[in-house]
Amino acid sequence: EVQLVESGGGLVHPGRSLRLSCAASGFKFDDYAMHWVRQGPGKGLEWVSGITWNGGNIGYADSVKGRFTISRDNAKNSLFLQMHNLRIEDTAFYYCAKEGGYPSGTRHNWFDPWGQGTLVTVSS
Amino acid sequence: IVLTQSPGALSLSPGERATLSCRASQSVSSRYLAWYQQKPGQAPRVLIYEASSRPTGIPDRFSGSGSGTDFTLTISKLEPEDFAVYYCQQYGSSPLTFGGGTKVEIK
Repeated sequence: EVQLVESGGGLVHPGRSLRLSCAASGFKFDDYAMHWVRQGPGKGLEWVSGITWNGGNIGYADSVKGRFTISRDNAKNSLFLQMHNLRIEDTAFYYCAKEGGYPSGTRHNWFDPWGQGTLVTVSS
Repeated sequence: IVLTQSPGALSLSPGERATLSCRASQSVSSRYLAWYQQKPGQAPRVLIYEASSRPTGIPDRFSGSGSGTDFTLTISKLEPEDFAVYYCQQYGSSPLTFGGGTKVEIK
């Protein structure tokens, strides 16, 4: 069974940093692109960042570009999101999501499955 | 690409048909459009990919159609477990984007 388990969320002051992790199991991690998607309280879904299977192609939403860095460790079946200079508007559940279907070699993916999310709260 | 979903909310009874719309600000390449269902306190789950394909395990009462800028998710006969929020997502162009969602409520 494919499982994605996020961790690393918490309460942080504006301007501080946080690193999220996603532990993957049940599939060949190094074949698939991976993504982070967030959802603010009571709001819709926002794609944050995606990375191809080998880290060779990475993309970010404009709202996080220059502040967030996505990375992966294929040896440890793990995905990361390093977040710097956090803002109040970054408050959200952050979901890790696997590329759906067969590996495409690209970041242009639908998502299946999603993890259960980790909550990041940015507040003074 | 901006995705606009309509209506914002839909009040229907179990057994009725639901028709949800997703309109894109520009053409979605290769029909790279997906639909997700999200229930309170849960992560989204995919219902449809490539505009009309259903992943294994998704009931056939869910169907997708459309191309270019206009896409539709149809739920043929609503079951009690189908009352939820539905999102469309395009993955043909960067950045990947989602629509604002349609809430399907029990009438």
